[in-house]
Amino acid sequence: DAGVIQSPRHEVTEMGQEVTLRCKPISGHDYLFWYRQTMMRGLELLIYFNNNVPIDDSGMPEDRFSAKMPNASFSTLKIQPSEPRDSAVYFCASSLEVYEQYFGPGTRLTVT
Amino acid sequence: KQEVTQIPAALSVPEGENLVLNCSFTDSAIYNLQWFRQDPGKGLTSLLLIQSSQREQTSGRLNASLDKSSGRSTLYIAASQPGDSATYLCAVRQNQFYFGTGTSLTVIP
Repeated sequence: DAGVIQSPRHEVTEMGQEVTLRCKPISGHDYLFWYRQTMMRGLELLIYFNNNVPIDDSGMPEDRFSAKMPNASFSTLKIQPSEPRDSAVYFCASSLEVYEQYFGPGTRLTVT
Repeated sequence: KQEVTQIPAALSVPEGENLVLNCSFTDSAIYNLQWFRQDPGKGLTSLLLIQSSQREQTSGRLNASLDKSSGRSTLYIAASQPGDSATYLCAVRQNQFYFGTGTSLTVIP
């Protein structure tokens, strides 16, 4: 398997624009996690899905953030409108049941 | 809520030294504990996974132990090398993963 795939790898956008991050989990994995990492706050869990259903979105910063998982092989994290404080690296990860978690390479988002 | 702590936050050792990284957690009702490595500007790479029923796992020069009752795990790195320089994070799994803030390791040639 190619591992967890994320796109784009880098995104630079202006404040107020909509940003969509994409993730393809490892085939067969039933859990998908979205994280955000910054120097100040470290690694934060934003939301996770089990069998395509959002289980816990308490880490989503505010209503500007939304995440979907329309099928087992694809998920999106959307920020609308984006703000400079959203600049961070966003990671997607997946796991099979409660076993090992595998991370994607991340999307580095810069909002100017 | 689960809290995961890693001490020290940073560690610098000369090449060849054996070292131990520590991870502690407050709620022992976990499924497993996973150790990761993160290089600057990169993603997280899984190193070792210890299931809650296990006491330790080994991979090459790495050995991770788990004492669930006391809420502790250690990652032992034998004969450290400059290539081991990275940030090491531990994470415990309940329904979700809870991460520590990491230990930044520098191995000096």
